[in-house]
Amino acid sequence: DARVTQTPRHKVTEMGQEVTMRCQPILGHNTVFWYRQTMMQGLELLAYFRNRAPLDDSGMPKDRFSAEMPDATLATLKIQPSEPRDSAVYFCASGAGFTIYFGEGSWLTVV
Amino acid sequence: AQSVTQLGSHVSVSEGALVLLRCNYSSSVPPYLFWYVQYPNQGLQLLLKYTSAATLVKGINGFEAEFKKSETSFHLTKPSAHMSDAAEYFCAVRPRDDKIIFGKGTRLHILP
Repeated sequence: DARVTQTPRHKVTEMGQEVTMRCQPILGHNTVFWYRQTMMQGLELLAYFRNRAPLDDSGMPKDRFSAEMPDATLATLKIQPSEPRDSAVYFCASGAGFTIYFGEGSWLTVV
Repeated sequence: AQSVTQLGSHVSVSEGALVLLRCNYSSSVPPYLFWYVQYPNQGLQLLLKYTSAATLVKGINGFEAEFKKSETSFHLTKPSAHMSDAAEYFCAVRPRDDKIIFGKGTRLHILP
């Protein structure tokens, strides 16, 4: 059963620390998305890749966030330095065609 | 710009009653449309999708949605609600081969 795998599932960190979230897309999928979900803002698109190339990262705070795809099997989202307002659930999704499929999310708490 | 509006952040229906969750979209090109469901502490799961074939789309768990171009709507329905349907539902629009834009979500409550 193919699925998008995200690590870590839960992370508690102190303000100012670096946080790296990883995503393994479904094998063969050529598009990868990073979304952030909060109660206040709902689901926000942070970054979007096709064939490992970044197509849109306009939703991402550039001063502290960065997203990369070192290879086709790994996408990373990094926050440095982290702040309490970054506390949220971060979802990775992948697709090949019409539909995208979500991972279970990385639950981040910055204290 | 593409956008999705879901009417009602919370909807309550009695068990066995009709479920109707409303979604309106705007898109500059004929879009793909989706409904996803999110159960507590889980990711989003695809319920159904419209990709320019039949306008009435059937999904999992007895849900269906109808694409109405003239109304720019894609409302989600289920004839008879079950307690297990309690979750948050997201409508989404994808203008062809582009990023997916989600609505704010509607939390569905099922009353016994």
